[in-house]
Amino acid sequence: AQSVTQPDIHITVSEGASLELRCNYSYGATPYLFWYVQSPGQGLQLLLKYFSGDTLVQGIKGFEAEFKRSQSSFNLRKPSVHWSDAAEYFCAVGATADSWGKLQFGAGTQVVVTP
Amino acid sequence: NAGVTQTPKFQVLKTGQSMTLQCAQDMNHEYMSWYRQDPGMGLRLIHYSVGAGITDQGEVPNGYNVSRSTTEDFPLRLLSAAPSQTSVYFCASGGVAGAEETQYFGPGTRLLVL
Repeated sequence: AQSVTQPDIHITVSEGASLELRCNYSYGATPYLFWYVQSPGQGLQLLLKYFSGDTLVQGIKGFEAEFKRSQSSFNLRKPSVHWSDAAEYFCAVGATADSWGKLQFGAGTQVVVTP
Repeated sequence: NAGVTQTPKFQVLKTGQSMTLQCAQDMNHEYMSWYRQDPGMGLRLIHYSVGAGITDQGEVPNGYNVSRSTTEDFPLRLLSAAPSQTSVYFCASGGVAGAEETQYFGPGTRLLVL
């Protein structure tokens, strides 16, 4: 069975510092990987996705993620965080490229940005 | 485009009551899904649909029914509400995935079952 693990429940980072959020997955075949962000009281917004090809994926809001098959990881990074990046971040895995309807989500990482 | 809309935004039910959470999208998307979000558990898939007339169960379907009579609408029915169904419910829709496609989530319905 596929699973998604986000080891960090909560991360505090200073504004302007770099941010890395970890995501590990367990899946028998090549997974389709996604990162979403949820601001307080809001729905989820897709930051980026990986289907195939270049393992470094660029997304919106200055985020990027790197797919590492050998480590079963898809970590999200941002070089310099802004106060508006405070939110909860979810990693998700799908079985196929068009598996929008059947995503499995990690438990989320809450990011707090301090001045 | 209004995107994905959900109604109501907030609802309080008593145990045993039934209700329908509405979800609509105006993007002609094939895929629609219902998730529930509980603290520390991320989002869990309840039901999903790959087109009008086609639905299937997700990870946590018990206590919920769905139907998809049109492309636009995907209502979620709680047959007999239980306190364990207190949660935030999100509807999502997406087209055929591709480089330019994305999935859209609605703003959520917060449900409290007493």
